[in-house]
Amino acid sequence: DSGVTQTPKHLITATGQRVTLRCSPRSGDLSVYWYQQSLDQGLQFLIQYYNGEERAKGNILERFSAQQFPDLHSELNLSSLELGDSALYFCASSVQATQETQYFGPGTRLLVL
Amino acid sequence: DAKTTQPPSMDCAEGRAANLPCNHSTISGNEYVYWYRQIHSQGPQYIIHGLKNNETNEMASLIITEDRKSSTLILPHATLRDTAVYYCIVRVAHGSGNTGKLIFGQGTTLQVKP
Repeated sequence: DSGVTQTPKHLITATGQRVTLRCSPRSGDLSVYWYQQSLDQGLQFLIQYYNGEERAKGNILERFSAQQFPDLHSELNLSSLELGDSALYFCASSVQATQETQYFGPGTRLLVL
Repeated sequence: DAKTTQPPSMDCAEGRAANLPCNHSTISGNEYVYWYRQIHSQGPQYIIHGLKNNETNEMASLIITEDRKSSTLILPHATLRDTAVYYCIVRVAHGSGNTGKLIFGQGTTLQVKP
């Protein structure tokens, strides 16, 4: 158990819909990262937040957005969902913004039908 | 961050040492070598990291060559539960303007067989 929690574990929705994935970092970690893992793309970095502020952006679509709240939990919002958005979405956390060691949550499996 | 090259797959007998190689010939002096693993769609798990000295923890050992162009992750007594995809990642540790993002390659699928 990494100490990072993600909800829900599974999500099934239809194209065009909007969903919200939630992540609670390890106690004391200030930085949260979101990664997407699809069959054809592997693990890809989406976005990073540090202490409530966006720190880095990766290959995140404009339809996707994220935020980190004062209690440090984070949410990833996916809108206008397409079939290709079906993937595993992982959240990770680390103590600082540039901390090497990241601890990953169990992931949310999203299926868009 | 430097690029890494890993074999796509490897087999290992249960109880034997698993040696997973990684080439990172363009590594810079301030870049660390990290290893993570992912067991069947679970979240990636941190294993170990190092700069130039060999490192050991309760999970594995990391051997980095003197020229730092390659490294080997060693699982001393592999078990069936070590079957996973192992990722070797090279990145700068700390620095202004740097972020903590990890760039994953395809990794090595290690199959531990009874």
